[in-house]
Amino acid sequence: SYELTQPLSVSVALGQTASITCGGDNIGFKNVHWYQQRPGQAPVLVIYRDKNRPSGIPERFSGSNSGTTATLTISRAQAGDEADYYCQVWDSFTVVFGGGTKLTVL
Amino acid sequence: EVQLVESGGGLVKPGGSLRLSCVASGFTFNDAWMSWVRQAPGKGLEWVGRVKSKTAGGTINYAASVKGRFTISRDDSKTTLYLHMTSLKTEDTAVYYCATPTITISGVVIRDAFDMWGQGTMVIVSS
Repeated sequence: SYELTQPLSVSVALGQTASITCGGDNIGFKNVHWYQQRPGQAPVLVIYRDKNRPSGIPERFSGSNSGTTATLTISRAQAGDEADYYCQVWDSFTVVFGGGTKLTVL
Repeated sequence: EVQLVESGGGLVKPGGSLRLSCVASGFTFNDAWMSWVRQAPGKGLEWVGRVKSKTAGGTINYAASVKGRFTISRDDSKTTLYLHMTSLKTEDTAVYYCATPTITISGVVIRDAFDMWGQGTMVIVSS
């Protein structure tokens, strides 16, 4: 079965740029979506199809995908960005989520 | 207001059954492809399964971990999605969310990203 690999945790200084990676076999050929989940809340879609932002998501959130790695980039990190982030793809008619990355804003 | 509201969670013994509901409002439920996603305490997201709209054939797909034990169904007249869970195991303990894609590109809903989620309902499987 297809697997997505994310780092368990990423730290970023306030105002700096954070990058969260999502690794998978030939992931560059798949559509990758990213979700933010704050404690006790439902996930929120922040990037769809590699690099697109849903309405209401700040321009500080961006994405890329190539080869074996997709990346979520958060510029000018704010305290409110502290959350868990999950990548997601479809494979053989099933959804696969990455294990999640806890972003800490220092 | 576009909304998904889950209910039906609770405490159930191993081997027991439970039915969850997800009531939708504010969008055309008939056309929606609906999914269930769960999250065990302190763990990541796990997709449970999806049902397509009837006009798209109504196909249902399940995660391997629940196939044969869980059944997804929908009642478009009630704008409600269901998850019937049987032979429950302790590892099924989780918050269960319903979710659906609503983002459109050139007027067509993209079916692969979930931009609408409910608030979740907790299922605890324990003796």
